[in-house]
Amino acid sequence: GIQVEQSPPDLILQEGANSTLRCNFSDSVNNLQWFHQNPWGQLINLFYIPSGTKQNGRLSATTVATERYSLLYISSSQTTDSGVYFCAVPSWGSGTSYGKLTFGQGTILTVHP
Amino acid sequence: EAGVVQSPRYKIIEKKQPVAFWCNPISGHNTLYWYLQNLGQGPELLIRYENEEAVDDSQLPKDRFSAERLKGVDSTLKIQPAELGDSAVYLCASSPGTSGRPGELFFGEGSRLTVL
Repeated sequence: GIQVEQSPPDLILQEGANSTLRCNFSDSVNNLQWFHQNPWGQLINLFYIPSGTKQNGRLSATTVATERYSLLYISSSQTTDSGVYFCAVPSWGSGTSYGKLTFGQGTILTVHP
Repeated sequence: EAGVVQSPRYKIIEKKQPVAFWCNPISGHNTLYWYLQNLGQGPELLIRYENEEAVDDSQLPKDRFSAERLKGVDSTLKIQPAELGDSAVYLCASSPGTSGRPGELFFGEGSRLTVL
């Protein structure tokens, strides 16, 4: 199956700093999702981004499908951004078996005031 | 629009006891998933339903785990008997299937199980 690697595994920031999280995947995919898992455990959808660039407030994401990676940018970080950030791709890459996602191991982000 | 609803949020049981988790997906979402998340790891699929049919249960430990989705809406996941290694978060997700963006999942808050 497809492999997903996220980096860095841990990231500690001061409030107001910017950061970039990376997600590499081993095969072609037809969709990619970024999630934020908050301290209470819920996975919140951030982006559905099979290719290109999207922005939502202080967050933006870019997926370069041909090079098999995606980046999540967080600008002017806030303490509420703390948590674990996961990227997830279809387990069979660009196949039609939707919904079985392979997740990366996540990036643990801690933002200090 | 209400999100995916799960209950209970937390459950503590002794080993060998049974436990059940309930999930109500987003209205109109035909596809429902149960994922397992161990501490420090990403979620992993246990079972996927298309309406009331389990179309992918290859990673469900069928000796002790069972799931059902009667009438193609709510679902329950049961463990009997629970073992110490079952302590984890059980996440339910749903997706609109072909009517939405392919493979876009929406997760509930999860049910955290502790087996003593």
